[in-house]
Amino acid sequence: DADVTQTPRNRITKTGKRIMLECSQTKGHDRMYWYRQDPGLGLRLIYYSFDVKDINKGEISDGYSVSRQAQAKFSLSLESAIPNQTALYFCATSDFPPRRDRGGNEQFFGPGTRLTVL
Amino acid sequence: KNQVEQSPQSLIILEGKNCTLQCNYTVSPFSNLRWYKQDTGRGPVSLTIMTFSENTKSNGRYTATLDADTKQSSLHITASQLSDSASYICVVPRGAGSYQLTFGKGTKLSVIP
Repeated sequence: DADVTQTPRNRITKTGKRIMLECSQTKGHDRMYWYRQDPGLGLRLIYYSFDVKDINKGEISDGYSVSRQAQAKFSLSLESAIPNQTALYFCATSDFPPRRDRGGNEQFFGPGTRLTVL
Repeated sequence: KNQVEQSPQSLIILEGKNCTLQCNYTVSPFSNLRWYKQDTGRGPVSLTIMTFSENTKSNGRYTATLDADTKQSSLHITASQLSDSASYICVVPRGAGSYQLTFGKGTKLSVIP
């Protein structure tokens, strides 16, 4: 986890506010991801990036935007937060090309950000 | 539809006892299955990976099995410890080396003294 850091770790905000969650990694990986985790649900992919300036939508991108400013940094923004965006948010990274000795698809997760929207 | 189903949803066991967690998947094409451990307040960490040709793999007190014919995997924990209390998540990528992962909802294990 120490190789992938997220800030802030906890955030409480109000409906309509703009929020930015930041992710940094020292693993040297090209690929970075943002996930959301809700109670009783599996992790769901919000956005992913394969390189600087490369941005791709995941399965639940509505209401979110991202920025990949550098290889090591990937930030997630909620332009106008709403209560159903209350969740745990995880950043993850993976290597490319995939390493066969690690199964080719291991993703390394940060410690998460607990976001509460009132 | 690509799905990963885990059971039970939650489990409470006494310290020192064994337990088995189940994972059924319908992800296609299949290349491997990975078990992650997620401690409370932390991100998931990979425990073990099972490739198509593997049936059993151990990592200390953790033993994973895979039956690719029935599309089932299990994670067996032997001589449980308090530190095993966590959520265990089964994850299957959509193809070899794919970044697209299908996550199970996890099994929340509580080990009590």
